[in-house]
Amino acid sequence: KQEVTQIPAALSVPEGENLVLNCSFTDSAIYNLQWFRQDPGKGLTSLLLIQSSQREQTSGRLNASLDKSSGRSTLYIAASQPGDSATYLCAVQGGSEKLVFGKGTKLTVNP
Amino acid sequence: GAVVSQHPSRVICKSGTSVKIECRSLDFQATTMFWYRQFPKQSLMLMATSNEGSKATYEQGVEKDKFLINHASLTLSTLTVTSAHPEDSSFYICSALRVDGYTFGSGTRLTVV
Repeated sequence: KQEVTQIPAALSVPEGENLVLNCSFTDSAIYNLQWFRQDPGKGLTSLLLIQSSQREQTSGRLNASLDKSSGRSTLYIAASQPGDSATYLCAVQGGSEKLVFGKGTKLTVNP
Repeated sequence: GAVVSQHPSRVICKSGTSVKIECRSLDFQATTMFWYRQFPKQSLMLMATSNEGSKATYEQGVEKDKFLINHASLTLSTLTVTSAHPEDSSFYICSALRVDGYTFGSGTRLTVV
């Protein structure tokens, strides 16, 4: 059974700092991995999708890496801003279409 | 980009009543939609997979007679919480899969009093 773990559970940083969020999964036989952002009481916004054959994806100040063999992914946020404050969720898709989510990392960027 | 519209965003209902949540794909056809539940400070847990024109597939531990799912068209899936109880209070989110990944609705906060 696939399990996804995100560390840390919460993170508070000053504005402008670069930061890394971590995601690990137990079964390396994944189809893809996706990072989402969730604001309080809201749905999920897709940030980056990494296919199993890829090692990283970039979008603006965000960079996600994938090391499938070791079951790890990182989300790098450059020059963090208060508007980046949210919960960041990592999810993996296995052979079926189902997504398995981690519990998320709650990020607070202080002005 | 792909948009999934979910309504209502919030609902308060009395214990014992039923509540229907709608999920619509606005600019694409979704043969498969997914329904998740999220408790405070917990991850999203898949409840069921909704397939257009056929019966939904429920995850282990999810009561299919309590959480009725209908996917009658390629753009609409509904989740009905029947005979709701306070323990059903939660955040429900739908999702659809496209070639560029999953897209999610904005969620429904259900409070059963």
